[in-house]
Amino acid sequence: GAVVSQHPSRVICKSGTSVKIECRSLDFQATTMFWYRQFPKQSLMLMATSNEGSKATYEQGVEKDKFLINHASLTLSTLTVTSAHPEDSSFYICSARGVSGRSNTQYFGPGTRLTVL
Amino acid sequence: AQKITQTQPGMFVQEKEAVTLDCTYDTSDQSYGLFWYKQPSSGEMIFLIYQGSYDEQNATEGRYSLNFQKARKSANLVISASQLGDSAMYFCAMREAFYGNQFYFGTGTSLTVIP
Repeated sequence: GAVVSQHPSRVICKSGTSVKIECRSLDFQATTMFWYRQFPKQSLMLMATSNEGSKATYEQGVEKDKFLINHASLTLSTLTVTSAHPEDSSFYICSARGVSGRSNTQYFGPGTRLTVL
Repeated sequence: AQKITQTQPGMFVQEKEAVTLDCTYDTSDQSYGLFWYKQPSSGEMIFLIYQGSYDEQNATEGRYSLNFQKARKSANLVISASQLGDSAMYFCAMREAFYGNQFYFGTGTSLTVIP
């Protein structure tokens, strides 16, 4: 099946630093990528939707200046958490939807666990 | 109103038995897709099965089948012959309009398979 990778899988950083998370679709071209945040024992919360070559669309309540999203190519999207604080600690999951043949299904990356000290 | 409702926060099933995880949805769209994902403790969301609103037959994928009752707006997941590795969180999700972007998730059901 389709494979979506995320890097890093786990990151610990100091408060005030920025962290970049990469999401790659490995065997298909992803026209649309999604970034989710998941708190322990809760469901996924959509943060933003990004289309290749255009600006991301953020969900209400998500700070676009804090969570920078770049969808540079059909196989790569990045999420940068700028000036991270402990409350940004969470599990971040990306998802990708592909061009023809895979358009009906979203495939998820393995997630990135961010801990801000 | 909740778009996706999963009323079973936790379920237990004996190994080799079948189990049904409930999911109801709310939409006024005629075209939509329904999905089930499995999330083990590692955190990865694993796609299990998809049902389109116009699909006349219930979707099946190996031991997974989706009991789609359109009039009742329910899309229950049936896992047959449960295995210990099936223990995980299960999320039902919906996307309205075939290529729509908004993907609604339920709150999940934690399934534990008992040996």
